[in-house]
Amino acid sequence: EDQVTQSPEALRLQEGESSSLNCSYTVSGLRGLFWYRQDPGKGPEFLFTLYSAGEEKEKERLKATLTKKESFLHITAPKPEDSATYLCAVQVRNQGGKLIFGQGTELSVKP
Amino acid sequence: GAGVSQSPSNKVTEKGKDVELRCDPISGHTALYWYRQSLGQGLEFLIYFQGNSAPDKSGLPSDRFSAERTGGSVSTLTIQRTQQEDSAVYLCASSLTGVMNTEAFFGQGTRLTVV
Repeated sequence: EDQVTQSPEALRLQEGESSSLNCSYTVSGLRGLFWYRQDPGKGPEFLFTLYSAGEEKEKERLKATLTKKESFLHITAPKPEDSATYLCAVQVRNQGGKLIFGQGTELSVKP
Repeated sequence: GAGVSQSPSNKVTEKGKDVELRCDPISGHTALYWYRQSLGQGLEFLIYFQGNSAPDKSGLPSDRFSAERTGGSVSTLTIQRTQQEDSAVYLCASSLTGVMNTEAFFGQGTRLTVV
């Protein structure tokens, strides 16, 4: 069964304290791995797509990496405005464009 | 439009009533998806449209749930005889195509409460 697991469920950081969020996946054939950010009461906002092991993408304080089993979202020197729930999702080959999501990591950054 | 638009934003309905949720995707996006997000749960796939066809309906939880898409644009998700367990946020997303690895853009969601 195709599955996505994110850890930790919740993470509290002080402003400037770098850390990483983990997304482990088990799929029959990976087409792509996606990271989204979701603020309370809003829909998910697209951050990154990764397609193959070894690929990395960066955006401001965020950097996403991918291996054959997991992805990491590294947050460098976070600010309070980075507080949100971060969602990881996979697309599986031969299953159209649907996304299989993990449960998310709720990040809180305190000033 | 500029983004994916969903209406209504909030809907409170009595148990047993039917509800319709609407999604206006980004203009030109051929793929459209419905997801459900229950309290404390991850996003759960419901149905995928490519144009007006639905090649994947595997996530619809029961035959009380149905969806259609017309003109390759607007989609409606209908829930008949609503139950309390249907209470959730229903999210719609669209992407340029469902075949290539294009990112999906989400609407704000419709929060459905069944009382």
